[in-house]
Amino acid sequence: GESVGLHLPTLSVQEGDNSIINCAYSNSASDYFIWYKQESGKGPQFIIDIRSNMDKRQGQRVTVLLNKTVKHLSLQIAATQPGDSAVYFCAEKRNNNDMRFGAGTRLTVKP
Amino acid sequence: NAGVTQTPKFRVLKTGQSMTLLCAQDMNHEYMYWYRQDPGMGLRLIHYSVGEGTTAKGEVPDGYNVSRLKKQNFLLGLESAAPSQTSVYFCASRDPLGRSSSGANVLTFGAGSRLTVL
Repeated sequence: GESVGLHLPTLSVQEGDNSIINCAYSNSASDYFIWYKQESGKGPQFIIDIRSNMDKRQGQRVTVLLNKTVKHLSLQIAATQPGDSAVYFCAEKRNNNDMRFGAGTRLTVKP
Repeated sequence: NAGVTQTPKFRVLKTGQSMTLLCAQDMNHEYMYWYRQDPGMGLRLIHYSVGEGTTAKGEVPDGYNVSRLKKQNFLLGLESAAPSQTSVYFCASRDPLGRSSSGANVLTFGAGSRLTVL
């Protein structure tokens, strides 16, 4: 069935380096995508979002890229810090209002 | 503001027992969601509601029931708990018109409820 998924389950980077977390989706009708960050023992928290009619959106130290041709979403984190260590999820909003999440990528930042 | 509050935070059940998880939000959000989170599987949608008195099935609705009698509350019930329902359950809400501080499509999550079924 259709799903939102991630290419890699874990990612380890050096402090100060840039991080790229990828997400593949298969529902071409989804009109909105969101990245969430989940720290241990907490619920997911919003990071950045992008509409399907955009291909790039920038926030503070984060950038989301959307490639609708290959149904691919990525989250770029600049100058990764130890506080960025968490599990990152992409989510898609389907046109029936349900919100589906990918499996998540665990980001570990090494000092 | 409390945001989204889930009770209880932890619960241990025996197989066959029933229980209800309560989700309460004080942001006047129209939409509410219940997810379960299992290791390596991310968050899977159980049921959701787009308004008081309405509910809809998500990806994994079997074995669960929900009710939205009041706009601020969304209850998740397990009528006969099974070990496969051991998980962390998250409730979330959103305002589809974007009138709150978060965007129209952004979910605000509770802290989670850890359920163990023996």
